[in-house]
Amino acid sequence: DVVMTQSPLSLPVTLGQPASISCRSSQSLVHSDGNTYLNWFQQRPGQSPRRLIYKVSNRDSGVPDRFSGSGSGTDFTLKISRVEAEDVGVYYCMQGAHWPRTFGQGTKVEIK
Amino acid sequence: EVQLVESGGGLVQPGGSLRLSCAASGLIFSSYTMNWVRQAPGKGLEWISSISSSGSDTFYADSVKGRFTISRDNAKDSLYLQMNSLKAEDTAVYYCARGPSALIDFWGQGTLVTVSS
Repeated sequence: DVVMTQSPLSLPVTLGQPASISCRSSQSLVHSDGNTYLNWFQQRPGQSPRRLIYKVSNRDSGVPDRFSGSGSGTDFTLKISRVEAEDVGVYYCMQGAHWPRTFGQGTKVEIK
Repeated sequence: EVQLVESGGGLVQPGGSLRLSCAASGLIFSSYTMNWVRQAPGKGLEWISSISSSGSDTFYADSVKGRFTISRDNAKDSLYLQMNSLKAEDTAVYYCARGPSALIDFWGQGTLVTVSS
């Protein structure tokens, strides 16, 4: 199975400051169709996950532009340009290039 | 508005069975691959199964293969998960989720399954 490793696992951030989460995969996430299937999800406390970013850097409809995704191959990053209170929660990366689909362990973002 | 509403969770003894359902609305259900993803209490997310839009193709995580069966009824806009030979480690919130498994996009609110004697 492809192992997805996130860091850090806990991220205390000051409101208005940037935040960055790393996600590394044990194998390349470039599919034979040419796409790179790396997605990011946000799970606020007590809520279901919500997809923020798909295929590395495509922001979902309604997702604030302070969220951005980047990376290639096995190394990916989710950035929040200026953290707001509503961004508190756990963030997961997920790979869709290989079976079985696998998630990172999650990064808990909290306000300092 | 897209809605995925799971039901059927509850307390079951080890070795028992349970059938989860997911009722979909606000989408053309028959056009979408559907998935089940679970989350053990206080833990991360685990993909467990997917089914193609027609129901002809199914996929399972090794952790549930041979014990769980995914199915769908496009006439009823519904997704199912038949869970047999349940173990304590199957205790989790089970989410119904839309989309090709490589690009899961929309999730239901989840239903809690507790396996305990």
